Amino acid sequence: RKEVEQDPGPFNVPEGATVAFNCTYSNSASQSFFWYRQDCRKEPKLLMSVYSSGNEDGRFTAQLNRASQYISLLIRDSKLSDSATYLCVVNIYNQGGKLIFGQGTELSVKP
Amino acid sequence: NAGVTQTPKFRVLKTGQSMTLLCAQDMNHEYMYWYRQDPGMGLRLIHYSVGEGTTAKGEVPDGYNVSRLKKQNFLLGLESAAPSQTSVYFCASGDNGYTFGSGTRLTVV
Repeated sequence: RKEVEQDPGPFNVPEGATVAFNCTYSNSASQSFFWYRQDCRKEPKLLMSVYSSGNEDGRFTAQLNRASQYISLLIRDSKLSDSATYLCVVNIYNQGGKLIFGQGTELSVKP
Repeated sequence: NAGVTQTPKFRVLKTGQSMTLLCAQDMNHEYMYWYRQDPGMGLRLIHYSVGEGTTAKGEVPDGYNVSRLKKQNFLLGLESAAPSQTSVYFCASGDNGYTFGSGTRLTVV
């Protein structure tokens, strides 16, 4: 079983739609969590950190459920520019700061 | 402020050749990471370092070696390149939130 698993996608949605991505992690010692965005053939870029209380940044909302070992990302009012691959990332502190990525979920926003 | 710089950006190797990829960061980060990314596989952790002089194995360490002699540099070595090591290699550094270099596209023929 992979340490971090995501919906495989791709997600094809119209502009203005709301889309949700899910991610589960297997190591309960995981301490910090992130969502990254990766555009085709480019390096991943930090979208947002994920906190237990949930956090929001504009149209993006991230949630963490430690009991279920589950992370989510909600994108409201999708824009064409949101088209990218979204990567769930987990930092496992009891393995010396090991940083593990999910395989990513591809989002395509259509006009 | 250059952030994270990877060199080279592109390289073609013959099977059996060796090479070293350099990752340099100017943000005084303790943690540095090397990943490879293949189509349909996501980013897989090769090796990582939690500080100068320390290294640890990731998910796919075989065929690679690393060194962190200086805090700002993390080197990834391929002693005897194989076609299976054809990939895009990314380096990252950070302490809570991580910055990536722009990648090295390596082809082994």
